[in-house]
Amino acid sequence: EVQLVESGGGLVQPGGSLRLSCAASGFTFSGYTMNWVRQAPGKGLEWVSFISTSGSFTHHADSVRGRFTISRDNAKNSLYLQMNSLRDEDTAVYYCVRDTGSNPRFDSWGQGTLVTVSS
Amino acid sequence: DIQMTQSPSSLSASVGDRVTITCRTSQSIGSYLNWYQQKPGKAPKLLIYDASSLQGGVPSRFSGSGSGTDFTLTISSLQPEDFATYSCQQSSSTPWTFGQGTRVEIK
Repeated sequence: EVQLVESGGGLVQPGGSLRLSCAASGFTFSGYTMNWVRQAPGKGLEWVSFISTSGSFTHHADSVRGRFTISRDNAKNSLYLQMNSLRDEDTAVYYCVRDTGSNPRFDSWGQGTLVTVSS
Repeated sequence: DIQMTQSPSSLSASVGDRVTITCRTSQSIGSYLNWYQQKPGKAPKLLIYDASSLQGGVPSRFSGSGSGTDFTLTISSLQPEDFATYSCQQSSSTPWTFGQGTRVEIK
């Protein structure tokens, strides 16, 4: 069974930093591209970041580019999101998401971790 | 960026009803359109990919159609467990974008 378990969320002040982690199990982690997708309270879903299987290629949404960095450790079956210069509008549940296909569909999701940016 | 517009934003329906949700994109995306179901406090679940392909384990009462800029998700006979929010997502080009969601409520 595919499992994605996020951790690292919490309350942080504007301008602060946070590192999210996602532990993957039940599949060959190194064989899949991965993403972070977020959902602000009461709002729709927003794709945040993508990383290739090896980690050599990454892509971020304009809203987080230059502030967030996605990375992975295939030896540890783990995905990360380093979030710096956090803003109020980054408050959201962050999901670790596996994708599949050349035109990707998000086929497995973690339970999410809540990040709250507030003073 | 490709803009996604879903309609309606919410609907009320009864068990057994046929329900149709529409997703329109700001430019043609071929068939690269996916549908998700999300229940309160839970992660989204993939239902339909590539506009009309049923994800494994998803009941056959769910179906998708469309291509280009206009797409439809249909639930042929609404069941109690189907009351949820449904979102479309395009996978044609980055940034991958989602619709704002359609909330299906009990009438």
